[in-house]
Amino acid sequence: QQKVQQSPESLSVPEGGMASLNCTSSDRNFQYFWWYRQHSGEGPKALMSIFSDGDKKEGRFTAHLNKASLHVSLHIRDSQPSDSALYFCAASSNYNVLYFGSGTKLTVEP
Amino acid sequence: NAGVIQTPRHKVTGKGQEATLWCEPISGHSAVFWYRQTIVQGLEFLTYFRNQAPIDDSGMPKERFSAQMPNQSHSTLKIQSTQPQDSAVYLCASSGQGSYEQYFGPGTRLTVL
Repeated sequence: QQKVQQSPESLSVPEGGMASLNCTSSDRNFQYFWWYRQHSGEGPKALMSIFSDGDKKEGRFTAHLNKASLHVSLHIRDSQPSDSALYFCAASSNYNVLYFGSGTKLTVEP
Repeated sequence: NAGVIQTPRHKVTGKGQEATLWCEPISGHSAVFWYRQTIVQGLEFLTYFRNQAPIDDSGMPKERFSAQMPNQSHSTLKIQSTQPQDSAVYLCASSGQGSYEQYFGPGTRLTVL
């Protein structure tokens, strides 16, 4: 059983729209969460980390963490075609080994 | 800063052959991680080193897979007697002392025929 579940599997939003991605962990040892983005032919690149309950905002990206429910989300406002990529949620219990979700394929349509 | 370098970018082997994948971490980074990415299994942790010492290899298949870090500038992942199910993109990542962000290389796509 995968320790980190992600939804939706794919998502299409218009340029300038809001994209919302979700992630839930089944392991209460996971306390540290990251969002990674992967463009085709490249390795994943960290977008942002979130370790505390609540919201964390970086530019157009906002992450939200609820430790009680082990739910983390990522919201991308004013989506751009360059945001089209695979997005992964990753969780860790010790800041080191990352356990990744299955990914969300985001398509931003011009 | 060239980022994490992985060579080769693509490797094709025949079933039963050996494959060695190379990773050069970002200069000054103290931790090196290996992951495997497939369509079916997604991104899976394999093993990691810190200051060249093996710390956790819980994700490594016990047979045929081995990893080493002989010096701070490179790590290798060796797969003996490759099988078609080993076909995947193998990703190397590094992180710096006191930083928890992992920087990934572009990966090596291994195809076992």
